[in-house]
Amino acid sequence: AQTVTQSQPEMSVQEAETVTLSCTYDTSESDYYLFWYKQPPSRQMILVIRQEAYKQQNATENRFSVNFQKAAKSFSLKISDSQLGDAAMYFCAYRSAYNNAGNMLTFGGGTRLMVKP
Amino acid sequence: DAGVTQSPTHLIKTRGQQVTLRCSPKSGHDTVSWYQQALGQGPQFIFQYYEEEERQRGNFPDRFSGHQFPNYSSELNVNALLLGDSALYLCASSRGRTPNQPQHFGDGTRLSIL
Repeated sequence: AQTVTQSQPEMSVQEAETVTLSCTYDTSESDYYLFWYKQPPSRQMILVIRQEAYKQQNATENRFSVNFQKAAKSFSLKISDSQLGDAAMYFCAYRSAYNNAGNMLTFGGGTRLMVKP
Repeated sequence: DAGVTQSPTHLIKTRGQQVTLRCSPKSGHDTVSWYQQALGQGPQFIFQYYEEEERQRGNFPDRFSGHQFPNYSSELNVNALLLGDSALYLCASSRGRTPNQPQHFGDGTRLSIL
């Protein structure tokens, strides 16, 4: 079974600064997807960024980028130019890329990000 | 284009009761997954429905059951409620079950057990 670990329960960042959230995972599979989701107080899970394990290049989405280290099984999220609206819970998630595994997600425990004005 | 909708928003029950939560998938989606998110934790996969059948199940007891209707909407039923069932229940939908299909989440149902 796959596991996802987020070792930082809480992080804080000054507005306009950069912050990095950490995530490690354990799997015996070679092909998979990794995700970062944001959950604001409104509760809805919002997809921030997605990485396919077979791609060497790190994914980027505007101010959000990842550092994917496949050998180390590490998948960190960097948020640049932090904004007040970035304050939320952030979850790292894993999904197998094998068709017989369906598309269920395995989530980490989350990191609460606070943004200081 | 309506996203994933869940009802009710909040529900209060007592131990031993039964509860039914409902989910309507995003337009064009035919697969529904349910997750349980305890306070301060990440969501845990309960099960997934496709073509009106349970296709995949997480590590949850038989007290948790579900159903999918011909219009792809889904219900989650929990019998003999325990205090530990208090959580946010999230529904997610996708177009098919293949791994490359992204899941879209609803706002969840907050279930409180007294």
